[in-house]
Parts: sequence; C-alpha cells; structure tokens
Amino acid sequence: VQLVESGGGLIQPGGSLRLSCAASGFTFNSFWMHWVRQVPGKGLVWVSRINSDGSNTTYAGSVKGRFTISRDNAKNTLYLQMNSLRAEDTAVYYCARDATPLWYGVNYFDNWGQGTLVTVSS
Amino acid sequence: EVVLTQSPGTLSLSPGERATLSCRASQSFSSRYLAWYQEKLGQAPRLLIYGASNRATGIPDRFSGTGSGTDFTLTISSLEPEDFAVYYCQYYGNSITFGGGTKVEIK
Repeated sequence: VQLVESGGGLIQPGGSLRLSCAASGFTFNSFWMHWVRQVPGKGLVWVSRINSDGSNTTYAGSVKGRFTISRDNAKNTLYLQMNSLRAEDTAVYYCARDATPLWYGVNYFDNWGQGTLVTVSS
Repeated sequence: EVVLTQSPGTLSLSPGERATLSCRASQSFSSRYLAWYQEKLGQAPRLLIYGASNRATGIPDRFSGTGSGTDFTLTISSLEPEDFAVYYCQYYGNSITFGGGTKVEIK
C-alpha cells in the first residue's frame, strides 16, 4: 500500500489549492478515504472523508463549505480542493485509508501518506 | 462532539520500563470506537490498536489497549528503543476526534 500526497505549498489567505493523493498497492475503489491534517508540532485533526464510489462525503465543521473532497477511481487518486484558505488552515495534510473495505467505513486508518505541507500566509 | 484528553503530556522513561498512557473522554462511548496511533518524527502515524484492545496487523504484543466508557489506556509492557514517539488516541463513532497526544521520551 502506498499513498503519496502532492499539491501543497505557500498560498495567500483567501486563495485556493488542490491536494492530490495517488494510491497504489490496493483496490482503491473499495475503500473509504480520508484527509487528516496536523499543524507542525501539534495534534491530528480529521478533515474530511469520502466513500468508495464518491457519492457520500463528510467534513469537519472548520472546513465545511470551503473544502471539497473527491476521488477519481479510474486514476486511483483522492483530491482535496481547498478554497478561501485561512492562516489556521496551515498544516501538513495527510491522506489516509479507512481500515477495512466495508461499504459503511470504519473511520480509523490503517495506512497514511507522508503528508504535504500547506502554508497559508501573506 | 467527544473530546479526548490524553495524559500525561510527556512520559520520561528508560528502555525496558513499562509505559502507561491515558485517554479520557468527555462522554462515555462504546470501546469499539477507540483507536491508538504511534507517530515518530518525520513519519506518518501508524495504527496500533482499534476497538480499544485489538492490535493492528504487525503490532508487537508488548502493546496492549484496555478500557471502557470514558477511560482508556495504552500500555507498552517493556519499552524498546523504537517505541519512543508520540501516541494519539482517536474516537471514531459518530464523529472523528483525536486526543492531544502523549510524548514518550527517553529518560
């Protein structure tokens, strides 16, 4: 199993960024997928999740209405579109795989990427 | 929302010693919804325990989880050099939250 995030960088407040997570080594379209973020030196915060076919999404309150999670199962890729970015969105963003290929998801994570750093600053 | 409070913030121990990490919840929930992760500097988190007491694949049996209701514990029976890291508990019931972490450092 491999998860490789990309798309992070320095962005001004109010800007937009799209993160990608390329998945390999497993049947991507069988698993719920998640984004989790971590301010460097701080704790983990769950951001969003999407079910296996992309029809069901959920967001943390702090990002609802600004972030959109999506997936392309043909490309084995997970995305996070981040709009109206704020300084408090600065963090390392991890994609994570739900631990079992069940239709309802279990919401704990057995594989994580290495993360991509998003810095929101003027 | 379930708030998880981990204690202590830092645990200073020597290799071979026993580590006991606490995770206390703001409200009671089924133990099936509690996981533990290990995070080392510069690495992604690693799943250790799910359902409060079930070891994930490949996790050594020196790691054990117990607890119910609002009080959960991760125990490392005898610390190996590679166990010095930060540990997080996670609730994954009708929401998903993490505790603030406990750092296990070498004394």
